[in-house]
Amino acid sequence: GIQVEQSPPDLILQEGANSTLRCNFSDSVNNLQWFHQNPWGQLINLFYIPSGTKQNGRLSATTVATERYSLLYISSSQTTDSGVYFCATYSGGYNKLIFGAGTRLAVHP
Amino acid sequence: NAGVTQTPKFQVLKTGQSMTLQCAQDMNHEYMSWYRQDPGMGLRLIHYSVGAGITDQGEVPNGYNVSRSTTEDFPLRLLSAAPSQTSVYFCASNDGGSGQPQHFGDGTRLSIL
Repeated sequence: GIQVEQSPPDLILQEGANSTLRCNFSDSVNNLQWFHQNPWGQLINLFYIPSGTKQNGRLSATTVATERYSLLYISSSQTTDSGVYFCATYSGGYNKLIFGAGTRLAVHP
Repeated sequence: NAGVTQTPKFQVLKTGQSMTLQCAQDMNHEYMSWYRQDPGMGLRLIHYSVGAGITDQGEVPNGYNVSRSTTEDFPLRLLSAAPSQTSVYFCASNDGGSGQPQHFGDGTRLSIL
């Protein structure tokens, strides 16, 4: 099955800094989701982005499906951005998400 | 709009006990799924359903049963709890068509002693 790899595994930022998180997948995909798991454990859907670029406030995401990767940009980071960021893709049907291992982000004031 | 609701939020069991984790969604979604999340890992699919009366196994189904008698509800049953099933369990739903993101409940934190 498809493999999803995320980098870096851990990231520490000072408040106000920018960062880029990467997601690589082993095979071509036609869907890609980014999630934020907050410190309380809740999973929040950030983007559904099979290709191209989307922006939502300080966050934006770009997927280059032909090159099998997606990037999540966080600008002017805030302490509330802390948590774990996951990328995931449907595999074998639109109900089976395959997750990467996540990037753990800590933003310090 | 409640979205996906999971109960209980926390549970402690003894080895060998059985229990049911409840999941309900009010978005009229066809597809529902159960995942488990172990420390330092992403979520792994346990079982899923593409509609009432239809269920199938995911990546890690052993030790779990599911049923889907209504569109809204998708309970997960642990038949005989084992310490290896200590995990955080998430239920999710989506509309089934392409381009539809999954919506997750807040999770159930389960400890097996």
